[in-house]
Amino acid sequence: GAVVSQHPSRVICKSGTSVKIECRSLDFQATTMFWYRQFPKQSLMLMATSNEGSKATYEQGVEKDKFLINHASLTLSTLTVTSAHPEDSSFYICSARPDLSETQYFGPGTRLLVL
Amino acid sequence: DAKTTQPPSMDCAEGRAANLPCNHSTISGNEYVYWYRQIHSQGPQYIIHGLKNNETNEMASLIITEDRKSSTLILPHATLRDTAVYYCIVTNTNAGKSTFGDGTTLTVKP
Repeated sequence: GAVVSQHPSRVICKSGTSVKIECRSLDFQATTMFWYRQFPKQSLMLMATSNEGSKATYEQGVEKDKFLINHASLTLSTLTVTSAHPEDSSFYICSARPDLSETQYFGPGTRLLVL
Repeated sequence: DAKTTQPPSMDCAEGRAANLPCNHSTISGNEYVYWYRQIHSQGPQYIIHGLKNNETNEMASLIITEDRKSSTLILPHATLRDTAVYYCIVTNTNAGKSTFGDGTTLTVKP
């Protein structure tokens, strides 16, 4: 149980294009999901908290207009990197927290490479 | 969120117990201690968590000191596949979000 999937697992795009990453909780409902970014040899950095039915809460320094988050259902959150640039290349990881639980379960991550 | 401090790296012989320490001296009463591990290029994997009492599951044991200012994750019989970065984090049950530190890179050697 408590499986979280991400799609795509890997994406390469041209600079200036937008990329959408999906995060799904497969066997539980999650009102709250989280989006992290991880650069090589560094720890995970929380970008935003995604709440079903309301606006996401972004961490300080994360541009909400660049990283659009939509949490349209209890099992799906999406992160769209708009007008991607090479410095946005990173490993993006989502997590989902089952309702009535404090435990986060992480997806396998999406590796984004912007050329 | 309370900050955690872990040694940057540790080695362990295969088959022996791996004891990974974590300091969380500023932990507050409603914060849980969580342990995750991350194998290269994968998402973190949940291991175990606790509030005050020691916990054990099929993967590991978690020992939390009485004052809750530190904890130890114990992998009883480490295997080569346990080589990973281990993260100790504290999570506020109200806010729900977690702050990851740098973790401990555990290397299990034959």
